[in-house]
Amino acid sequence: EAQVTQNPRYLITVTGKKLTVTCSQNMNHEYMSWYRQDPGLGLRQIYYSMNVEVTDKGDVPEGYKVSRKEKRNFPLILESPSPNQTSLYFCASSSGQSNQPQHFGDGTRLSIL
Amino acid sequence: EDQVTQSPEALRLQEGESSSLNCSYTVSGLRGLFWYRQDPGKGPEFLFTLYSAGEEKEKERLKATLTKKESFLHITAPKPEDSATYLCAALPEDTGRRALTFGSGTRLQVQP
Repeated sequence: EAQVTQNPRYLITVTGKKLTVTCSQNMNHEYMSWYRQDPGLGLRQIYYSMNVEVTDKGDVPEGYKVSRKEKRNFPLILESPSPNQTSLYFCASSSGQSNQPQHFGDGTRLSIL
Repeated sequence: EDQVTQSPEALRLQEGESSSLNCSYTVSGLRGLFWYRQDPGKGPEFLFTLYSAGEEKEKERLKATLTKKESFLHITAPKPEDSATYLCAALPEDTGRRALTFGSGTRLQVQP
């Protein structure tokens, strides 16, 4: 089954404790992206990757890092999480053509205390 | 600034009562307009892509249409299983980022 898998699905942690949210897709997609979803603000792009070793900032990159060492994986790293990063996070992927739909994972709900 | 506005925020329908959801967009050089369905605790599930004004797409009880300023998602004779949040997203002209500009969604509840 074609899918985007995120882990963990839920995490409660404390300010300053580094964490990583993993994302993996099995569709051989070149493009991957991270979004956060906040009430009233919709989904906003954090970082994206056009292909292996090619990453760049989205609209709200502050406080986040990413890496793309393999085509299928695109982890999101919070090196020193803060309460304003409490949110619902989604990873997405799409095929090479730029106007193709993005397919989303089921989300990771992060609570930073 | 690219912007997508959806209305209404919430809609309650009786089973079989048809209606439409609206998505107004202001983006520079629209390359695609996407509709997604989101169930509680799930990620957005892709429904349709529309690329040019006048285009229409259908899937079961759903039909999406596109003009130069708006898109509509028409729901014909809805069933309770159509209850979900429907998201509209616009893809602006090529900046390489492919960052979708999302609306805040319409929460649809269909009562039996």
